[in-house]
Amino acid sequence: DQQVKQNSPSLSVQEGRISILNCDYTNSMFDYFLWYKKYPAEGPTFLISISSIKDKNEDGRFTVFLNKSAKHLSLHIVPSQPGDSAVYFCAAPGGTSYGKLTFGQGTILTVHP
Amino acid sequence: DTAVSQTPKYLVTQMGNDKSIKCEQNLGHDTMYWYKQDSKKFLKIMFSYNNKELIINETVPNRFSPKSPDKAHLNLHINSLELGDSAVYFCASSPTMTGDNEQFFGPGTRLTVL
Repeated sequence: DQQVKQNSPSLSVQEGRISILNCDYTNSMFDYFLWYKKYPAEGPTFLISISSIKDKNEDGRFTVFLNKSAKHLSLHIVPSQPGDSAVYFCAAPGGTSYGKLTFGQGTILTVHP
Repeated sequence: DTAVSQTPKYLVTQMGNDKSIKCEQNLGHDTMYWYKQDSKKFLKIMFSYNNKELIINETVPNRFSPKSPDKAHLNLHINSLELGDSAVYFCASSPTMTGDNEQFFGPGTRLTVL
C-alpha cells in the first residue's frame, strides 16, 4: 500500500523555466511533508518541508504547496538550473511520533541548458 | 567533515555469506535509521534506534540484525545473504525521533549478492 505517490517517473525542463513536481498521499494522518533531493551515488538531502497548518512554504527558488483537501503537494523550482537535475522524493512521517519516513518513488528531474 | 558516513560504499558477496555495514554520525543526533532502496527505487524504513534503543523494526527478516553500540553508531549485520537482499542501504540520523525532524542521510552502501 503506497501511501505516498509520485506518479511522474521523470520530468524534463528547459533551464530558466519552472519545474513542477507532484506528490499525492492517501493517509490523512500525515501532518508534515518533506522533499528530498538525491544525486547519483549519494544519499538523499533535505530540500524543504511544510506543515499541514500551512499551504505554502518558500525557500529561495523552491516553493512547496500543500492542498490538504486534495491530499496533494507540489514542489516548484523557479528558475530551474542544470544543477537541479536529480531525483526528487517527497516524504511524510509515518503518522506516529517515531520519525519513520514514508517516501514516494521519486521523480527524475532533468534540466537542459 | 562527513555528517553521516557508511562503510563500505560497495559490497559484493556470495549468497549465504554474512556481512556487516557500518554507520556513524557526528551530528550529536539521538536517532538513527536504516533504509533500503530496492531495484524499483523505493526507499523503505527498516529500523530506527533512539539512544541505542530499537524503536522501529519494520517487519524485516531476522537475518537482519542492527546493533547500536552508542548513539553515534548504528551497524547492520546480515546473515545468510540472499539474492533479494541486493539493494542500496542508507543510514540516516535525526536530532530526535519526532516526525518533523529533518533526517540526514549517509551516501549509501550498494550491496550486490551473487
